Amino acid sequence: DAGVIQSPRHEVTEMGQEVTLRCKPISGHNSLFWYRQTMMRGLELLIYFNNNVPIDDSGMPEDRFSAKMPNASFSTLKIQPSEPRDSAVYFCASSFWDTNTEAFFGQGTRLTVV
Amino acid sequence: GQQVMQIPQYQHVQEGEDFTTYCNSSTTLSNIQWYKQRPGGHPVFLIQLVKSGEVKKQKRLTFQFGEAKKNSSLHITATQTTDVGTYFCAGSRTDSWGKLQFGAGTQVVVTP
Repeated sequence: DAGVIQSPRHEVTEMGQEVTLRCKPISGHNSLFWYRQTMMRGLELLIYFNNNVPIDDSGMPEDRFSAKMPNASFSTLKIQPSEPRDSAVYFCASSFWDTNTEAFFGQGTRLTVV
Repeated sequence: GQQVMQIPQYQHVQEGEDFTTYCNSSTTLSNIQWYKQRPGGHPVFLIQLVKSGEVKKQKRLTFQFGEAKKNSSLHITATQTTDVGTYFCAGSRTDSWGKLQFGAGTQVVVTP
């Protein structure tokens, strides 16, 4: 298995533009997590899904952020409109919900909003 | 909400020395996991502890889960330069199964 795949790896965009981050979880995993990492706030859980259903989105900072998981093999995190303070590394992770075992992280997307 | 606190935030260690990083939760956890993130990399799973008072070892790393399942520690003996990175603990509450909340991490710098 190739692991959790995120795209793009790097994204530079102008303030006000829409940004879409993509994630392909490990095949067979039924939990998917979106995290944001910054120096100031560390690793923050934004939202997580179980069997493609959003379970907890209390970490989503504001309405500009939205996440979807249309099927078991794909998820997106969208920011519209983007702001400079959204600059961070965004990680997607997946795991088996039933056993609550380790989360496998993707390589992350480094987002810079100028 | 659940808070997972880690101390220290930074740890500067001489090669060969031992050190310990601590993780504390405001609520009882169903389990605790530890991850390591190398500079520029992504978090990588190290271990999971589930039972009260559980102790697990991985070579020079010793992990412990507190009796009350609210705290945990990672002890590294004879630190090597390969131990450089940030160590995170992450926990799930019993009433929010699967919601993995990370601590702020301990950034470890090793000098030869």
